[in-house]
Amino acid sequence: GAVVSQHPSWVICKSGTSVKIECRSLDFQATTMFWYRQFPKQSLMLMATSNEGSKATYEQGVEKDKFLINHASLTLSTLTVTSAHPEDSSFYICSAISPVRRGYTFGSGTRLTVV
Amino acid sequence: DQQVKQNSPSLSVQEGRISILNCDYTNSMFDYFLWYKKYPAEGPTFLISISSIKDKNEDGRFTVFLNKSAKHLSLHIVPSQPGDSAVYFCAASRNNFNKFYFGSGTKLNVKP
Repeated sequence: GAVVSQHPSWVICKSGTSVKIECRSLDFQATTMFWYRQFPKQSLMLMATSNEGSKATYEQGVEKDKFLINHASLTLSTLTVTSAHPEDSSFYICSAISPVRRGYTFGSGTRLTVV
Repeated sequence: DQQVKQNSPSLSVQEGRISILNCDYTNSMFDYFLWYKKYPAEGPTFLISISSIKDKNEDGRFTVFLNKSAKHLSLHIVPSQPGDSAVYFCAASRNNFNKFYFGSGTKLNVKP
């Protein structure tokens, strides 16, 4: 139980376009989801906390207008990278509070490459 | 300011030997700690956790030790197997399990 599905697993897009990444809790309801970004050989960096039915809470230094988060239902949060640039290329991971244990259940991640 | 630190970016161990991964934290309010394992291009998977009321938690080949006075925790893997080769992250939380702080990870390589 407590599975988080993330889609797509990888995407290549052109500079200036927008990309949407979906994060779904498959067998539980997640009022709160989290979006992380991982640069090569670096730690997971928390970008924002996604709250169902309300605005996301962004970490310091994360551009709200660039990384749009929508948590429209108890099982789905989306991250849209708007006007993507090559420096946005990264590995994006979502997570949700696990109902099975204290801690997170992570999605499988999305590799974004902006060309 | 990084509140959770993993000072060893990599560790190489021979198969069958013990792997010891270390993690330090600065916030004395942290009371719950986890270790995650991550393969390339995949999301982290939960490995083992420990509450601050304990100093040791064991699950099969994996044991986590917590030294609150030193603000230090470690993950022991015995015996190490090639399939254990991955990046290991420690994470810490306080009271509110909604927010976890992650270390920078240690890449473990278990040589056959």
